[in-house]
Amino acid sequence: AQTVTQSQPEMSVQEAETVTLSCTYDTSENNYYLFWYKQPPSRQMILVIRQEAYKQQNATENRFSVNFQKAAKSFSLKISDSQLGDTAMYFCAFQDSWGKLQFGAGTQVVVTP
Amino acid sequence: GAGVSQSPSNKVTEKGKDVELRCDPISGHTALYWYRQSLGQGLEFLIYFQGNSAPDKSGLPSDRFSAERTGGSVSTLTIQRTQQEDSAVYLCASSLGPGSYNEQFFGPGTRLTVL
Repeated sequence: AQTVTQSQPEMSVQEAETVTLSCTYDTSENNYYLFWYKQPPSRQMILVIRQEAYKQQNATENRFSVNFQKAAKSFSLKISDSQLGDTAMYFCAFQDSWGKLQFGAGTQVVVTP
Repeated sequence: GAGVSQSPSNKVTEKGKDVELRCDPISGHTALYWYRQSLGQGLEFLIYFQGNSAPDKSGLPSDRFSAERTGGSVSTLTIQRTQQEDSAVYLCASSLGPGSYNEQFFGPGTRLTVL
């Protein structure tokens, strides 16, 4: 079974600054996907970024980038130039071969003016 | 096109009553997933459908929970004899197919409150 650990319950960042969210996971699988999802107060889960385990290059989506360390089973998310609209709960997730997602406990990101 | 829709948006029920939660996936999506989000347990997988079949129902917490999918489209999650610990947000997601290369699109969820 896979486990996903997010050890930061809440992170606060000022507008335009950078924040990094940590995530570690445990799996015996060799090929898998990792995701970061954003959940604003509206409850809508929104995909932020995806990383394929067999790709060594770190994924980037505009202001969002990951630092994927496969050997260390670490998958952190960096939010650059933070905006007020980035305020949300962020979930790290591991996806198995069926597509089932295993989520971490989440990190609440608060962006302040 | 329309995204994943769920109904009702909110449901308040009394302990012991049965409830049905509905999920309408994106048209053409063959894979459908149910998750539960609660304060104590976080986000948990409940069941996965491929077409009308459920190859993985390992996350259903008890035999009071059941789900079905008809016509490869709409899915209903039924909770019988609801308990207070069933209070949670129930999220549905769909994807083009199974497997980890297909993005899951989530619905807005149904917030269930059991009094």
